[in-house]
Amino acid sequence: ETGVTQSPTHLIKTRGQQVTLRCSSQSGHNTVSWYQQALGQGPQFIFQYYREEENGRGNFPPRFSGLQFPNYSSELNVNALELDDSALYLCASGDRGEKLFFGSGTQLSVL
Amino acid sequence: GESVGLHLPTLSVQEGDNSIINCAYSNSASDYFIWYKQESGKGPQFIIDIRSNMDKRQGQRVTVLLNKTVKHLSLQIAATQPGDSAVYFCAETYYYSGAGSYQLTFGKGTKLSVIP
Repeated sequence: ETGVTQSPTHLIKTRGQQVTLRCSSQSGHNTVSWYQQALGQGPQFIFQYYREEENGRGNFPPRFSGLQFPNYSSELNVNALELDDSALYLCASGDRGEKLFFGSGTQLSVL
Repeated sequence: GESVGLHLPTLSVQEGDNSIINCAYSNSASDYFIWYKQESGKGPQFIIDIRSNMDKRQGQRVTVLLNKTVKHLSLQIAATQPGDSAVYFCAETYYYSGAGSYQLTFGKGTKLSVIP
């Protein structure tokens, strides 16, 4: 086990709603990254946080936002959900983001 | 488009045989590469990594080879076991000085099926 925990494991929302996903990083890791993994695809980088500030972002719209807390836990928020947001959302922690250790993910279904 | 890709989307091997999973990358600035294993319902699990100043690295039953000339990466699994059945991803990492962070880019993955 990696020590990275995510909640909830599964979630069902309807289009237009908002969702918050949570992650608890592995002890000692100061970087947290979020990835979106569509079915049959590799994970796509959403953004990364280091010391509570966003320090890298992939090709995702502003309705994807995040927070990192002093205890290195993190949240991913998605507003105005769209059907294409249905995916596995992965949280990963590391030391400055080079070698990442992933949680088991939250499976989000948007209906 | 993605800068990391895989030559074979699926691979079936007999239990006990060796497996070779290939990966091509296009960003010559990438300086660190990782192989991940992902089982159904789980997140990617770190297997082995290699830096760009190396051409080979060995772990327990796994070996990663890096050929920078042709931008090719491979993962070799010795004596493949049923527990090795999973999707394998290669990922490249390079440092974004502007953001002060490493960015990890994944390919689409290869599904390895081990035949008992």
